[in-house]
Amino acid sequence: QVQLVQSGSEVKKPGASVKVSCKASGYTFISYGISWARQAPGQGLEWMGWISANTGTTNYIQKLQGRVTMTTDTSASTAYMELRSLRSDDTAVYYCARDDWTNLDYWGQGTLVTVSS
Amino acid sequence: DIQMTQSPSSLSASVGDRVTITCRASQSISTYLNWYQQKPGKAPRLLIYAASTLQSGVPSRFSGSGSGTDFSLTVSSLQPEDFATYYCHQSYSSPRTFGQGTRVEVK
Repeated sequence: QVQLVQSGSEVKKPGASVKVSCKASGYTFISYGISWARQAPGQGLEWMGWISANTGTTNYIQKLQGRVTMTTDTSASTAYMELRSLRSDDTAVYYCARDDWTNLDYWGQGTLVTVSS
Repeated sequence: DIQMTQSPSSLSASVGDRVTITCRASQSISTYLNWYQQKPGKAPRLLIYAASTLQSGVPSRFSGSGSGTDFSLTVSSLQPEDFATYYCHQSYSSPRTFGQGTRVEVK
């Protein structure tokens, strides 16, 4: 069965970086993309961007350009999302999701990133 | 960016009620519209894709309709496990935006 398992919670200071991993299993990793989304406490979902697991092509939302990098390790069927220069408003649960180009059909369990001094 | 507007933002309903949530796109997105259900502390779950196609394993009481700019999600007979927040999501163009969510609460 398809599973996406994310790394554990993180607490970071403002200005630091965080790297969240998302290990995929149960399907051919390079046949799909991975999208990342986040959800601030009590708020809705925000789509952050996408990476093709096959080519490594990325597409990020404008507000995160320059601070976010999405990568994949195809040998480990794992996707990564690194966010730099963290601010308090980056505090959120971060999700990865399998992306079949038109919908996000399987999601990871979420990773809480807390940014606090 | 395409803006997705859901209504209502929240609603109160009883078990057995028929519930409809609407989603409007700021420009035409054909049928590139998906619906997700999210329960507290859990990841979203895909319910409907391509506006009206039921994801495998989703109960048939859920249905979706619409095209262009106006879409709806209907639950024909609300069950206890359906109390949750629902999000629409357009996959027509990047950035692939979500609606703000509709919380379905117990009346």
